[in-house]
Amino acid sequence: ETGVTQSPTHLIKTRGQQVTLRCSSQSGHNTVSWYQQALGQGPQFIFQYYREEENGRGNFPPRFSGLQFPNYSSELNVNALELDDSALYLCASSLSTRFNTGELFFGEGSRLTVL
Amino acid sequence: GENVEQHPSTLSVQEGDSAVIKCTYSDSASNYFPWYKQELGKGPQLIIDIRSNVGEKKDQRIAVTLNKTAKHFSLHITETQPEDSAVYFCAASMAGNQFYFGTGTSLTVIP
Repeated sequence: ETGVTQSPTHLIKTRGQQVTLRCSSQSGHNTVSWYQQALGQGPQFIFQYYREEENGRGNFPPRFSGLQFPNYSSELNVNALELDDSALYLCASSLSTRFNTGELFFGEGSRLTVL
Repeated sequence: GENVEQHPSTLSVQEGDSAVIKCTYSDSASNYFPWYKQELGKGPQLIIDIRSNVGEKKDQRIAVTLNKTAKHFSLHITETQPEDSAVYFCAASMAGNQFYFGTGTSLTVIP
C-alpha cells in the first residue's frame, strides 16, 4: 500500500459531461502528478502540482484542469468529455523540489468510462 | 520530447527461469530510469530504479542495467515465481517533473 487514495474507483459518464477525480497524497509528500493510462498502454503525463501550483503539463488540452489543496490533496477535472477520455486515471504523490520529482507512489486509479 | 520503447510486449517463462525486458530511450538528457510492476486493478508500484551515474543495480532477484551510450536499459528477473506475473513498465525522466513510460510488458510465469 502506498498511502495514496483515489476516488471514485469507477465511474461512467456520457459524452459532453464533466468529471472530477480526487486524490489524497501520501503523508509528507508535497507533489501530486496525474497520469492517464489507456487500455494496454503506459501512463501518460497530464500535469503535476507542486505546493498548490501547476508545475508542468503534458500534451493534454485545457479542458483537463486541476487543483492542489493546502493539505496537498488534489483534484483532476475534465470538461466536455470525449469518448477517447475513457481510461484509468492515476494519481502519484512524491516528495519533490520544483525542478526534480522524487520517487512516484501511485494510487490504484479511477477508471473512467465515457459513453 | 522523450520517447521510450519497450520490448517484448508479452513474455511467458517457466517458473524458475529468467525474464529480461528491454527499453530504449531517445533523449540523452534522461538520467533516472525506474521500473514499475502493475498488477490487475492496481496502480504501478516501483520495483527498482537506476540513475545515469550507475551501470547496474541489483535487489535480490531483480536487477537493472543501463547503457548510456546505446541509450538502453534492461530489467532482469531471475528465478521467476508465479507471483511475478504482472505488467511491467519502464520509464525515463530527466531532471524535471515528467516521467515517460514504455508501453508495458505482460509477463506470465508458468508454474
